[in-house]
Amino acid sequence: SQTIHQWPATLVQPVGSPLSLECTVEGTSNPNLYWYRQAAGRGLQLLFYSVGIGQISSEVPQNLSASRPQDRQFILSSKKLLLSDSGFYLCAWARRQGNGETQYFGPGTRLLVL
Amino acid sequence: SQQGEEDPQALSIQEGENATMNCSYKTSINNLQWYRQNSGRGLVHLILIRSNEREKHSGRLRVTLDTSKKSSSLLITASRAADTASYFCATVITGSGNTGKLIFGQGTTLQVKP
Repeated sequence: SQTIHQWPATLVQPVGSPLSLECTVEGTSNPNLYWYRQAAGRGLQLLFYSVGIGQISSEVPQNLSASRPQDRQFILSSKKLLLSDSGFYLCAWARRQGNGETQYFGPGTRLLVL
Repeated sequence: SQQGEEDPQALSIQEGENATMNCSYKTSINNLQWYRQNSGRGLVHLILIRSNEREKHSGRLRVTLDTSKKSSSLLITASRAADTASYFCATVITGSGNTGKLIFGQGTTLQVKP
């Protein structure tokens, strides 16, 4: 069966510090991978998606970047965090086929920038 | 602007009652999906309905899709306290190719009182 992991679960970082959030998927190959951010009480905003190793598409201009160094690894980074980067970050994967399939979400990372 | 908008934003009912949530979207879609999120957790996929389908059932869930009105509804019958969560609709826009990108609505927060 497939599983998706995210870490850390919670992170408190000062403004201006770097960030690295990791997401890994097990039990599948060639997945599409996604990073979302969710503000408190709101829906999900798609930040990045990837259809293959080294292939990253950005959905919104922002202070963050993403990388996919391996097929089942997706990393969200920042060189200098802003207060507005606080939020709940969710990683998801989906099978790359058809016209859009179910996405499977990780447990999320809650980031607080102070 | 958001592709999906849910209505109502919040819903409070008694256990055993039915809960209906609505979702409207703006552009042509391949499919529409409903997800559930317990507080502080990742999202869990509930049901997917394709653009050529009008109704789908899964256990106590019933989803309808009206592409002429660009709207969908999620009905939870005989609700339980454990159904308390936020519910999101998400659409895969026509022309997304194999990216599988989902556009989420803002969600409906459902509270089921014992």
